[in-house]
Amino acid sequence: DTAVSQTPKYLVTQMGNDKSIKCEQNLGHDTMYWYKQDSKKFLKIMFSYNNKELIINETVPNRFSPKSPDKAHLNLHINSLELGDSAVYFCASKEGMGKRNEQFFGPGTRLTVL
Amino acid sequence: SQQGEEDPQALSIQEGENATMNCSYKTSINNLQWYRQNSGRGLVHLILIRSNEREKHSGRLRVTLDTSKKSSSLLITASRAADTASYFCATDGLYRSQKLVFGQGTRLTINP
Repeated sequence: DTAVSQTPKYLVTQMGNDKSIKCEQNLGHDTMYWYKQDSKKFLKIMFSYNNKELIINETVPNRFSPKSPDKAHLNLHINSLELGDSAVYFCASKEGMGKRNEQFFGPGTRLTVL
Repeated sequence: SQQGEEDPQALSIQEGENATMNCSYKTSINNLQWYRQNSGRGLVHLILIRSNEREKHSGRLRVTLDTSKKSSSLLITASRAADTASYFCATDGLYRSQKLVFGQGTRLTINP
């Protein structure tokens, strides 16, 4: 009955490959996020969707493409992986725009690019 | 650009002592939140303080906010070994998108 779940938990892949990370929330929230946490633990927002509509798109390479098939899911597809993409990626959700901004985080996906 | 800066970056204390972490930010905010991250886990929301509030309590947590100095502090009283984690402040600025901007975190270690 995990609130925000991500798969896979660990992902090891070669440079140049394409990979996807999936996120699902069962909280009934309208807004979902992707964050990247680097090796220094700095957490930075990448994307946000509200009811399947993209509302935040920070300065992220075009190789990263989020997809929200419905408001409970937000997936992240990464093309042509680079060494610098190695990080922990967190999905998060919250109730919706204009509501409490408390966010609920998934357990993270540790991506290692070799 | 990074909004919050936390101080200290690392803190090590004995069980039972109080731990204080500070956060400074740069722009106007709607609210400020504190999150905890245990090693290898996601972040967990601890407490939210609105821009018109000066102090808030939740159990052993006490948060203060000084908007004139653009700073906040998190106090954990009577620390326990289970409090060992990284603590992050996050500001909800005046963005239409309501995005949170996180500080770099304070790594807290409670020694038994």
